[in-house]
Amino acid sequence: DGGITQSPKYLFRKEGQNVTLSCEQNLNHDAMYWYRQDPGQGLRLIYYSQIVNDFQKGDIAEGYSVSREKKESFPLTVTSAQKNPTAFYLCASSIVSVSYEQYFGPGTRLTVT
Amino acid sequence: GENVEQHPSTLSVQEGDSAVIKCTYSDSASNYFPWYKQELGKRPQLIIDIRSNVGEKKDQRIAVTLNKTAKHFSLHITETQPEDSAVYFCAANSGGGADGLTFGKGTHLIIQP
Repeated sequence: DGGITQSPKYLFRKEGQNVTLSCEQNLNHDAMYWYRQDPGQGLRLIYYSQIVNDFQKGDIAEGYSVSREKKESFPLTVTSAQKNPTAFYLCASSIVSVSYEQYFGPGTRLTVT
Repeated sequence: GENVEQHPSTLSVQEGDSAVIKCTYSDSASNYFPWYKQELGKRPQLIIDIRSNVGEKKDQRIAVTLNKTAKHFSLHITETQPEDSAVYFCAANSGGGADGLTFGKGTHLIIQP
């Protein structure tokens, strides 16, 4: 399954609470990405980071925040400002200098009620 | 930004027949076009990709073609098997770099026995 992990697999939260999703990789990849997937939809880019201590907004960054303090870790926080947070969240990484191929983690299914 | 359109949304073929899924993209700077297969509840898995300096790439029963002028690329699966049943996504790298992928909305491929 490669070297990218996400935890937990399922997460339940009450509306109004912030929640942080974990993403760790031991592939020594420089770039990491967060995508959101809704039922019957493709993946949409939330945030990405190409180097430590630097990250950029993707297409749907509103209501989310990230940090990249270590090369192997890229946690995503879903804040209470995100209007519709229930979704399947996928983290990916890429070596970039060799290929644009992205390796995906197993995903976290977040349900907010 | 990049926009990727994918057709059809559902494709049903007889086992042993061929399947073709088509995508168009809008950003002429895009230069990397992967195809992912996703089974229910699982992570997307890369099945084949193509760079813009190549017109066609083949890997056993799977092939991808790219027409840069028309900005479209297609996935071809020959001799389909039951295990090919899944959702397939095309994607393109926004801006031609490592800034993340823009995905199509997916094609649900159903292989009829």
